[in-house]
Amino acid sequence: QKEVEQDPGPLSVPEGAIVSLNCTYSNSAFQYFMWYRQYSRKGPELLMYTYSSGNKEDGRFTAQVDKSSKYISLFIRDSQPSDSATYLCAMSWNTGNQFYFGTGTSLTVIP
Amino acid sequence: NAGVMQNPRHLVRRRGQEARLRCSPVKGHSHVYWYRQLPEEGLKFMVYLQKENIIDESGMPKERFSAEFPKEGPSILRIQQVVRGDSAAYFCASSPPARQGGTDTQYFGPGTRLTVL
Repeated sequence: QKEVEQDPGPLSVPEGAIVSLNCTYSNSAFQYFMWYRQYSRKGPELLMYTYSSGNKEDGRFTAQVDKSSKYISLFIRDSQPSDSATYLCAMSWNTGNQFYFGTGTSLTVIP
Repeated sequence: NAGVMQNPRHLVRRRGQEARLRCSPVKGHSHVYWYRQLPEEGLKFMVYLQKENIIDESGMPKERFSAEFPKEGPSILRIQQVVRGDSAAYFCASSPPARQGGTDTQYFGPGTRLTVL
């Protein structure tokens, strides 16, 4: 069983739609949860960073963590064509540890 | 305020040659991580270094791969006697010294795309 599972998609939505991206994980020790955005042939760019359970909002992006279900989500409101990218979830359990990544979900927002 | 720098951005090697990938972390960051990304796969951890120390190399192949982060200069990921299966994107990330009881997230460079012919 992989540490982190993420549906690879591809996911295609019309401009303005609400996008929901999800990951599940198996290691209950994970405490730090991140979402990265990666454009084609570029490095991952940090979008959201959450510690433990709860919600965090930043502009059009909302990250949710449900540790009881080992499930994290990223919501994108009013999606834009510029949001078209691959979204990677990542997590770790302690200071300075490696990050465990999902395989990424490919998103296309159609104008 | 420059981010993580990696060079070269693209590297082509023939089987059996050596590949040297360089990473300069964000100024002030003392932790460096190397990841490998194969097509259609997520990022896989390889090694975590602090200045002059390897902290965790559990993701490094046992042979041909080595990494260093000297007191001065960039971090180097070295692959000896490359094979076609080494073709991938290699990403470096850096983070500042961790706050007590917490962690700081990792900031990624643009990657080096290695092609082995």
